[in-house]
Amino acid sequence: GPKVLQIPSHQIIDMGQMVTLNCDPVSNHLYFYWYKQILGQQMEFLVNFYNGKVMEKSKLFKDQFSVERPDGSYFTLKIQPTALEDSAVYFCASSTDSDTEVFFGKGTRLTVV
Amino acid sequence: AQSVTQPDARVTVSEGASLQLRCKYSSSVTPYLFWYVQYPRQGLQLLLKYYSGDPVVQGVNGFEAEFSKSNSSFHLRKASVHWSDSAVYFCAVSITGNTRKLIFGLGTTLQVQP
Repeated sequence: GPKVLQIPSHQIIDMGQMVTLNCDPVSNHLYFYWYKQILGQQMEFLVNFYNGKVMEKSKLFKDQFSVERPDGSYFTLKIQPTALEDSAVYFCASSTDSDTEVFFGKGTRLTVV
Repeated sequence: AQSVTQPDARVTVSEGASLQLRCKYSSSVTPYLFWYVQYPRQGLQLLLKYYSGDPVVQGVNGFEAEFSKSNSSFHLRKASVHWSDSAVYFCAVSITGNTRKLIFGLGTTLQVQP
């Protein structure tokens, strides 16, 4: 089936540094999402993105977070600066314009130390 | 606001036994309903979805779910589980519109004993 690719699978970063998580969504998809999952907890919606702009963001999407998809390439989540509580697995997802089925990547495990 | 409740944090069954994982939702309109499975160190994989029509929907690997509007439920079932079904199962809802976000339950960890 369609695959969403996330790079890298694991990233360790010092608190206060910037990190960019990369997502290669399914090629014909138009909606993109980031979800956050802290170990042992539920998956929580962060943000969704369509037609070059953020459609909705949750209260977890702090001011230090930003998303973009420059030149139709990777869909990125940037955190600047990182904090200890940003440690989690971040899942990227995408969907088409006409179907609400969402396809998820395997996640990037971010560890802030 | 929408919410999803999975009342069982952990379910343990023997291989070959039947399974039901419970899911209840709260929403002002009938949402789109999903069951996802998460294997260790993997992303979520869609098991099945319900949009409308027949309240019993079939999914992959022998899973099915039944939608009940009166009970606001979408329980997942399988007639005979296999050890490889051990994973975390998430129920989720989505409200149509241009925001398109999934609201997940806390998940149910299924352990299948040999």
